[in-house]
Amino acid sequence: EPEVTQTPSHQVTQMGQEVILRCVPISNHLYFYWYRQILGQKVEFLVSFYNNEISEKSEIFDDQFSVERPDGSNFTLKIRSTKLEDSAMYFCASFGTVPYEQYFGPGTRLTVT
Amino acid sequence: AQKVTQAQTEISVVEKEDVTLDCVYETRDTTYYLFWYKQPPSGELVFLIRRNSFDEQNEISGRYSWNFQKSTSSFNFTITASQVVDSAVYFCALSVLSSGGSYIPTFGRGTSLIVHP
Repeated sequence: EPEVTQTPSHQVTQMGQEVILRCVPISNHLYFYWYRQILGQKVEFLVSFYNNEISEKSEIFDDQFSVERPDGSNFTLKIRSTKLEDSAMYFCASFGTVPYEQYFGPGTRLTVT
Repeated sequence: AQKVTQAQTEISVVEKEDVTLDCVYETRDTTYYLFWYKQPPSGELVFLIRRNSFDEQNEISGRYSWNFQKSTSSFNFTITASQVVDSAVYFCALSVLSSGGSYIPTFGRGTSLIVHP
């Protein structure tokens, strides 16, 4: 069964550093998402991406965040200058022709020290 | 705005007990989708079930069953004869069509289920 993959599984970075989280969505999917889950809390929507542009974003997704689909397979989330409160699990998801069926990746745990 | 309430923060049971996880949702949309996900200690989100708002049939899958009641806006999840491997955080989520044209789930805060041997 096709799956969404994410790398790295765990990233440790220092405050103020830039990080790029990578995702490979399912190949024929059209919509891509990033979510965040702070430890012990609920999963929160960050941004959705369709047709090479952001289709929606939440209040969390401020100027420190950006997303990109640099080639036909990868989908990245960049945090420009990480803060301690960016420490969380970040999930990528994608869906294709079934609009309500999202496939989640295994997540990247980001630790900002 | 959509809202999902999982009032039970943590449930602790002994193996073989039945347990029900509650989920209450709010939405003004008539078309919506409800989900349950399992999050084991390893952290990934494991999809369990999806129901659409037009299908109120209850569903059973092995030891898992779901009770969807539109009249009370609830989508409860029951594990029969719980096992230690069922220990995880369970999230209920609600998805409606957003203004941007995609379905974005709103998650509840999750219920941590601990099954003791």
